[in-house]
Amino acid sequence: GQNIDQPTEMTATEGAIVQINCTYQTSGFNGLFWYQQHAGEAPTFLSYNVLDGLEEKGRFSSFLSRSKGYSYLLLKELQMKDSASYLCAVKPTGGFKTIFGAGTRLFVKA
Amino acid sequence: KAGVTQTPRYLIKTRGQQVTLSCSPISGHRSVSWYQQTPGQGLQFLFEYFSETQRNKGNFPGRFSGRQFSNSRSEMNVSTLELGDSALYLCASSLDTWAGTDTQYFGPGTRLTVL
Repeated sequence: GQNIDQPTEMTATEGAIVQINCTYQTSGFNGLFWYQQHAGEAPTFLSYNVLDGLEEKGRFSSFLSRSKGYSYLLLKELQMKDSASYLCAVKPTGGFKTIFGAGTRLFVKA
Repeated sequence: KAGVTQTPRYLIKTRGQQVTLSCSPISGHRSVSWYQQTPGQGLQFLFEYFSETQRNKGNFPGRFSGRQFSNSRSEMNVSTLELGDSALYLCASSLDTWAGTDTQYFGPGTRLTVL
């Protein structure tokens, strides 16, 4: 089966760096995604990893280790607008669906 | 290019009624997926359609159904509504979810409240 675990909530300070972890159990997958969702809004795509390693995109970076079933999203130079839920998702092989974690609510405080 | 649109945005129904939600994908996207989002359960996969065919279905009762039209627009229907069906229903489109690099783009959702 497939299972995705993320911390429920995290709090960080404006200007700091925060790392949101995601562990997953799946027999195989095509890719791992990170989405951002502000309260009352739809999820928006942040990043995608298919190979091990770090993908950097501005203030956001995502890391994947397939052997360890582990990923993280790194947010640098935190801003108040980064307060949102961050969803980790995997696309298992052989299927036509994406499995989402429950999401991590990030609170950025001044 | 216009994004994914969903109608209606808000809906209030009573138990036992049925509801139909509509989703128009991004132009050129042929895959449409539906999700139910609740505070406690997160995003739960309902079903996925491609070229008018349902390719995958989540663990929801038969009261939840959907279809896709030849122009890729999709509808989902929930019959005999229950209080627990109150949720945000999100539609996402992509070129084709079979591809590993395929990214889903979400619509704003339909907020369904069942009284």
